[in-house]
Amino acid sequence: DAKTTQPPSMDCAEGRAANLPCNHSTISGNEYVYWYRQIHSQGPQYIIHGLKNNETNEMASLIITEDRKSSTLILPHATLRDTAVYYCIVFGGGSNYKLTFGKGTLLTVNP
Amino acid sequence: EADIYQTPRYLVIGTGKKITLECSQTMGHDKMYWYQQDPGMELHLIHYSYGVNSTEKGDLSSESTVSRIRTEHFPLTLESARPSHTSQYLCASSGTGVLSYEQYFGPGTRLTVT
Repeated sequence: DAKTTQPPSMDCAEGRAANLPCNHSTISGNEYVYWYRQIHSQGPQYIIHGLKNNETNEMASLIITEDRKSSTLILPHATLRDTAVYYCIVFGGGSNYKLTFGKGTLLTVNP
Repeated sequence: EADIYQTPRYLVIGTGKKITLECSQTMGHDKMYWYQQDPGMELHLIHYSYGVNSTEKGDLSSESTVSRIRTEHFPLTLESARPSHTSQYLCASSGTGVLSYEQYFGPGTRLTVT
């Protein structure tokens, strides 16, 4: 599975958009980009995933660059409850279903 | 909303005791996982199962053992607890096909061994 690089921490003002970047320059053609978040030691929560097209759901939007070497998770109107560690994970396309969590990005939403 | 349950949520136990952490899911998922996470640290996969009677060790070596006799149940056992086992244990499950990569996590069990 491809390795990902994320900034260790980011701040965002409440009500503003939070844009969380992720680099995955070694991603292969059949690997997906997945985003999870973990709120203060709770179990991680699935947010969104994509292969090469941009994706949007009720929680967030995922923008994947055309070369697929990086992506951005967008929380359009961040709230205090969005304060969490966000994990970008690249995997899939095979029979290995094991997730490898890195250190992620600690997003702090400030009032 | 995912239906995956873990009990107990918190456990404080003395050294040498045998403990079993319970994990159950009602989604009919064939794949289940156990992760270990120390406070402020990364999650590490310690066990996984792709179906009944199938169990494998994860990326982080663990003295715990698991069993998968029923689809919905994936208990984790420590035969003799030690202070080094103090950690949070998270159980997860995932479905089939494209849903195989979406893991649903339980609330976790916070274990303290004194």
